[in-house]
Amino acid sequence: EGQLEESGGGLVQPGGSLRVSCAASGFTFSNDWMHWVRQAPGKGLVWVSRINYDGSITGYADSVKGRFTISRDNAKNTLYLQMNSLRAEDTAVYYCARGIGFYDSTGYHSTRFFDLWGRGTLVTVSS
Amino acid sequence: QSVLTQPASVSGSPGQSITISCTGTSSDIGGYNYVSWYQQHPGKAPKLIIYDVSNRPSAVFNRFSGSKSGNTASLTISGLQAEDDADYYCSSYTSSSTLEVFGGGTKVTVL
Repeated sequence: EGQLEESGGGLVQPGGSLRVSCAASGFTFSNDWMHWVRQAPGKGLVWVSRINYDGSITGYADSVKGRFTISRDNAKNTLYLQMNSLRAEDTAVYYCARGIGFYDSTGYHSTRFFDLWGRGTLVTVSS
Repeated sequence: QSVLTQPASVSGSPGQSITISCTGTSSDIGGYNYVSWYQQHPGKAPKLIIYDVSNRPSAVFNRFSGSKSGNTASLTISGLQAEDDADYYCSSYTSSSTLEVFGGGTKVTVL
């Protein structure tokens, strides 16, 4: 079945940095693309970032590009999101999710759906 | 502003059926069969309830069903129950972007 558990959230000042983690168990972590999705208080789901099986391919939403870095350690079955230059609008619950995908006609890997989600970790950016 | 458009709220009485729409374009919902739906209770993680337009994970009740017509996907909940009171989000593959997209979400209220 599999489980994902996020950690590392907390209160950080604007301009500060924080790294959140996601520990995976119950499935072969190194076989799957992984994603971060966030949800601001009272708002909807917003995709943040993705990473492929071995970390060689990453992608980011425009709102976080250049500030956030996704990475993974397959030996530790752990996914990370390093967040720098944090802004008030980054305040959200951050969820990690497993993506089930396919290769489209151009050979690009895309996501069909997210089948496994963690419980999330709250990041609050405030002075 | 979400690429996929959902109604903000839908309500129904126990036992009734309700339908939530998710409207996109020919570059996403209309062009591909990769629509998924997620249920989220307050303070909880999202849960996959429909994938590839109309497929249901094994642990999901068959009261939930999905369909698609043109550029609009739909989630129907039959025999509405109190525990269906939650937020529901659609998502779809899109050929017009490398980003993942979600609808804005629909609050389902069981009266």
